[in-house]
Amino acid sequence: GIQVEQSPPDLILQEGANSTLRCNFSDSVNNLQWFHQNPWGQLINLFYIPSGTKQNGRLSATTVATERYSLLYISSSQTTDSGVYFCAVGLNAGNNRKLIWGLGTSLAVNP
Amino acid sequence: DSGVTQTPKHLITATGQRVTLRCSPRSGDLSVYWYQQSLDQGLQFLIQYYNGEERAKGNILERFSAQQFPDLHSELNLSSLELGDSALYFCASSVGLAGAAGGRTQYFGPGTRLTVL
Repeated sequence: GIQVEQSPPDLILQEGANSTLRCNFSDSVNNLQWFHQNPWGQLINLFYIPSGTKQNGRLSATTVATERYSLLYISSSQTTDSGVYFCAVGLNAGNNRKLIWGLGTSLAVNP
Repeated sequence: DSGVTQTPKHLITATGQRVTLRCSPRSGDLSVYWYQQSLDQGLQFLIQYYNGEERAKGNILERFSAQQFPDLHSELNLSSLELGDSALYFCASSVGLAGAAGGRTQYFGPGTRLTVL
């Protein structure tokens, strides 16, 4: 099955720093999403990005489907960015729809 | 066939009404997830239950609620429905929790298409 690897597993930043999180996947997919789980457990969609580049405020994401990776950029990080960032990929294929999650990158932003 | 079942397949109702969507996970799976997918959008995570307890919440509206029963089936209740609630609602299940080794792969049901008129 499809493998999803996220790196780095852990990241500690000083407030204001920039960072790049990476998601590699082992096979062609037509669904890729980034989620953020905050320290209180709330899990929020960040991007639906099977290909191309999207930006939302200080966050942006790029997926290069042909090379099977996606990057999540966080600029001018804030303490509220802390939490775990998950990449999830899948195939929206009929009755075999699946979503496969990476293990996440745990981010701590210090004031 | 993923082993996840959802009923009903289609639901047409009027604004202001309340509906209940049902999901039965794969045999042996303890986690159930609910997602909403609007036209041309990705999956919007709503809520997750693990072995009967709420474990994670997404952008779920206060008008929506869910529960997981002792037999592990789950229901998603949508009330005071609005036109914008029209969407595909998917249920997924996994052995464990998202992010954990056992929960990394979520298997999806066929979805319930809700149309609010």
